Amino acid sequence: AQSVTQLDSHVSVSEGTPVLLRCNYSSSYSPSLFWYVQHPNKGLQLLLKYTSAATLVKGINGFEAEFKKSETSFHLTKPSAHMSDAAEYFCVVSDINAGKSTFGDGTTLTVKP
Amino acid sequence: DTGVSQDPRHKITKRGQNVTFRCDPISEHNRLYWYRQTLGQGPEFLTYFQNEAQLEKSRLLSDRFSAERPKGSFSTLEIQRTEQGDSAMYLCASSPGVSGANVLTFGAGSRLTVL
Repeated sequence: AQSVTQLDSHVSVSEGTPVLLRCNYSSSYSPSLFWYVQHPNKGLQLLLKYTSAATLVKGINGFEAEFKKSETSFHLTKPSAHMSDAAEYFCVVSDINAGKSTFGDGTTLTVKP
Repeated sequence: DTGVSQDPRHKITKRGQNVTFRCDPISEHNRLYWYRQTLGQGPEFLTYFQNEAQLEKSRLLSDRFSAERPKGSFSTLEIQRTEQGDSAMYLCASSPGVSGANVLTFGAGSRLTVL
């Protein structure tokens, strides 16, 4: 069985300050982990993925995430928020060889000017 | 390749009617997925296909829902006798199906409103 918990439903930051979106996962096997972003009225877009290679993963638009097996976490960070980062972010787990991917409930990121 | 296409983008129907959604995946992708997303929630898995074989169905998928992928290319999702609780965004995604890299490419979704 696999599951994802996104610890914050809403995060608000000021433009230019760091972003931290938290995600814990549960998986019976070696997981693949992903972050997707959904802008208003737009489709889901892959930000980054972890698939058992380097534990620090870099994605698009300056985002990165670190896989920590001991903490079962995969938190998403960005050093400096931009107004265009305002969106809904989803953490996703997929067991290796599993068919389905399981999404968290999402974190809404608000960026204040 | 233009990505994953879904049709229609919006559907308004009356309770009790049947609706069908179509998904055209990326052509070289073997796997095709259907998810449902309601306001304020993450996408919820419904079912997926490996080529033409339907390999998994969510227990949440009632017998009013049926999905097909007859030739391993496009897929249809049919909802019979729609209920107001079926109102949601229905998302289709495809992936190459390579083990260990289940990267999903999503379509824009089909929004269903049941009156």
